[in-house]
Amino acid sequence: DAKTTQPTSMDCAEGRAANLPCNHSTISGNEYVYWYRQIHSQGPQYIIHGLKNNETNEMASLIITEDRKSSTLILPHATLRDTAVYYCIVRPSSISNFGNEKLTFGTGTRLTIIP
Amino acid sequence: GAGVSQSPSNKVTEKGKDVELRCDPISGHTALYWYRQSLGQGLEFLIYFQGNSAPDKSGLPSDRFSAERTGGSVSTLTIQRTQQEDSAVYLCASSKTGLGNTIYFGEGSWLTVV
Repeated sequence: DAKTTQPTSMDCAEGRAANLPCNHSTISGNEYVYWYRQIHSQGPQYIIHGLKNNETNEMASLIITEDRKSSTLILPHATLRDTAVYYCIVRPSSISNFGNEKLTFGTGTRLTIIP
Repeated sequence: GAGVSQSPSNKVTEKGKDVELRCDPISGHTALYWYRQSLGQGLEFLIYFQGNSAPDKSGLPSDRFSAERTGGSVSTLTIQRTQQEDSAVYLCASSKTGLGNTIYFGEGSWLTVV
């Protein structure tokens, strides 16, 4: 019952910005958008998350539309090491559950960086 | 260590044997999660611990699977009478409490049942 829709795969040229889209049209007001990536079968690596506002950190930027029904993860200068499966996850967070709710992973987007 | 630590990294066991997998969460993290991922498959939620609350066991696939968390820190996932379909990487994750917190994953324990 994944709440997000992502393309199955994408390619991006090395050095270019990689823009990974995610649709979450049924998102609720207390649900955050999280992005993780997984290289081979290593543990998923946290990238970034946000609620309403756009977010930026040392790894990526997250652009959330005003209606919150979709978002885009941007890797500004993709390198070969960014080749991975990228997961967009909608996760509720409420005081009643201490802000904790499990992450439900979908199938993600397999991003391949082309030399 | 700064991250979630799991042991063993790799385990090969014979069908029918019991195995224990250990997870040491990040210090100060009150929430702990177990997931598994079979080869080429997605991540499957198993169980979640939050402080002293009763764990959410809704993802455990059968009664051969159990987990405990002692002292609110280290957790052990036990699989009894292992079957070949239990072969997977078992991933542990932890987080602090608070709205919009971040869950951090360990590198996993690879289990192969032969």
